[in-house]
Amino acid sequence: SQTIHQWPATLVQPVGSPLSLECTVEGTSNPNLYWYRQAAGRGLQLLFYSVGIGQISSEVPQNLSASRPQDRQFILSSKKLLLSDSGFYLCAWSSGGQPQHFGDGTRLSIL
Amino acid sequence: GENVEQHPSTLSVQEGDSAVIKCTYSDSASNYFPWYKQELGKGPQLIIDIRSNVGEKKDQRIAVTLNKTAKHFSLHITETQPEDSAVYFCAARNQAGTALIFGKGTTLSVSS
Repeated sequence: SQTIHQWPATLVQPVGSPLSLECTVEGTSNPNLYWYRQAAGRGLQLLFYSVGIGQISSEVPQNLSASRPQDRQFILSSKKLLLSDSGFYLCAWSSGGQPQHFGDGTRLSIL
Repeated sequence: GENVEQHPSTLSVQEGDSAVIKCTYSDSASNYFPWYKQELGKGPQLIIDIRSNVGEKKDQRIAVTLNKTAKHFSLHITETQPEDSAVYFCAARNQAGTALIFGKGTTLSVSS
């Protein structure tokens, strides 16, 4: 069966520091991969999605970037974090027209 | 682009009552509508979905209805239990079929 892993589960970072969140999927090949952000009391905002290695589409302009160095690895990065980058970050995958499945997220707090 | 509106934002019911959450979407080309349940500190979990060629789908105490003409779909939970308490999100797949657009969520509280 397929599984998705995100880490770390929680992260506290100072303003201006870099960021790297990782997501990996097991049990499937060539999945579509997604990064979402969920601000407190709000819905899920799609940040990036990828249909293949090295193929990244950005949905909103922001201080973040994404990369897909391997088929089942998706990384969310920033060179300099802002206070507004705080939130709950979720990775998801889908394949073959099937529903999206989410990881358990990373809670990011910027101080 | 696609826009999804979800109501109500909060819903409180007594155990055993029914709960209904409604969503509307803007893009008539959308053809897939999933519902997710999110418990505190976890990622959303798919609970039921419906495609545009179907008007209703049931899975035990959960059902979803779709009205393509009116561009709205609803989640129905019958015989609610305290463990149904969570945040529920509706979503619609965008025209390109590449991503889901989510509603802002409904916090359901079931009291015993």
